[in-house]
Amino acid sequence: QKEVEQNSGPLSVPEGAIASLNCTYSDRGSQSFFWYRQYSGKSPELIMSIYSNGDKEDGRFTAQLNKASQYVSLLIRDSQPSDSATYLCAVRRGSTLGRLYFGRGTQLTVWP
Amino acid sequence: GAVVSQHPSRVICKSGTSVKIECRSLDFQATTMFWYRQFPKKSLMLMATSNEGSKATYEQGVEKDKFLINHASLTLSTLTVTSAHPEDSSFYICSAIGTGGTDTQYFGPGTRLTVL
Repeated sequence: QKEVEQNSGPLSVPEGAIASLNCTYSDRGSQSFFWYRQYSGKSPELIMSIYSNGDKEDGRFTAQLNKASQYVSLLIRDSQPSDSATYLCAVRRGSTLGRLYFGRGTQLTVWP
Repeated sequence: GAVVSQHPSRVICKSGTSVKIECRSLDFQATTMFWYRQFPKKSLMLMATSNEGSKATYEQGVEKDKFLINHASLTLSTLTVTSAHPEDSSFYICSAIGTGGTDTQYFGPGTRLTVL
């Protein structure tokens, strides 16, 4: 079982819709959870971090964490074509200082 | 804040030469830096973890004598690809964690290496 799993997609949504990206992780001791966005040919950029159960909102983005289900998601409201990118879920396990485990990423396309 | 730079952004070299890539944290001190490699349409692969003033910790399968990492200061880590070959052509990305207690990793813009 992989440390972090994501649907690779591609996920395609129309402009203005809600895009829902999902991620599961295997280590129950995981402490920190991150969503990164990566445009083609570029390095990842941090979108959000979440540390406790529940929802965390930042503009059009909402991260949701459920530690009991070992599940973290990212919702993008009012999706824009500029949101088209690969979204990487990353998890820091409790025992590993700083090291992140990345999912393979979900490719999102927002069409006008 | 939390800006990480890499230099060069792109390098083309001949097979057998060595290439050095610099990673700098511009506005914070980085206790730990990470080096990743990414092949086209593939996920990030962690190569090594670098702590200032100590030897890097390499992931399984990464040759430490081929990929030399030096983390000489709290703002600079370097990756040297020694005797590069075409199969080393890839996108190399560093990231850094600051000293302020946060565990957020900030990524550099990456270096695209092409070995002819």
